[in-house]
Amino acid sequence: GQNIDQPTEMTATEGAIVQINCTYQTSGFNGLFWYQQHAGEAPTFLSYNVLDGLEEKGRFSSFLSRSKGYSYLLLKELQMKDSASYLCAVLSSYTGGFKTIFGAGTRLFVKA
Amino acid sequence: DTEVTQTPKHLVMGMTNKKSLKCEQHMGHRAMYWYKQKAKKPPELMFVYSYEKLSINESVPSRFSPECPNSSLLNLHLHALQPEDSALYLCASSQEGTGGGSQHFGDGTRLSIL
Repeated sequence: GQNIDQPTEMTATEGAIVQINCTYQTSGFNGLFWYQQHAGEAPTFLSYNVLDGLEEKGRFSSFLSRSKGYSYLLLKELQMKDSASYLCAVLSSYTGGFKTIFGAGTRLFVKA
Repeated sequence: DTEVTQTPKHLVMGMTNKKSLKCEQHMGHRAMYWYKQKAKKPPELMFVYSYEKLSINESVPSRFSPECPNSSLLNLHLHALQPEDSALYLCASSQEGTGGGSQHFGDGTRLSIL
């Protein structure tokens, strides 16, 4: 079966750094996504990792270790607008294609 | 502004009504998706269309009927829904027709069943 775990909620201070962890168990792993979703809005794509290591994109970085079934999203220089849910999603292969399975999401609260 | 357009934004319907949700994208994406999202929960995959053909049906009840008239359009026909079907219904698309790649989401249709 498939299982994706991430913390339910986190709180951090404006200007600080926060790391959101995600662990997964899946068959046919083909990569891991991070999406951001503000309340009442659609998810938006942040990052994609398919190889081990760190991918940096501005204030956001994402790390993957396939052998450990582990990823994290690192947010630097936190801003109030970063308060949102962060969804870890695993891309799995099946006969005929791929499908994306979302974790439950981590609600991040950024305080002044 | 989103590149995936969903209509209507809000829909209230009775359990005996028939309605349809519509989704449109003009990015040339070859895979399109329907998700259901309840409050404070992640999106749950319902259907995937790859190259206009249904490739995944996640054991969705038959009261939900998807349709892909062409590569830009995706519909979800609703009939005899239950109150527990009230949720945000998200449409998404991705460039890769096999279902891989990052997905672009529409703003969703917020559905309430009376």
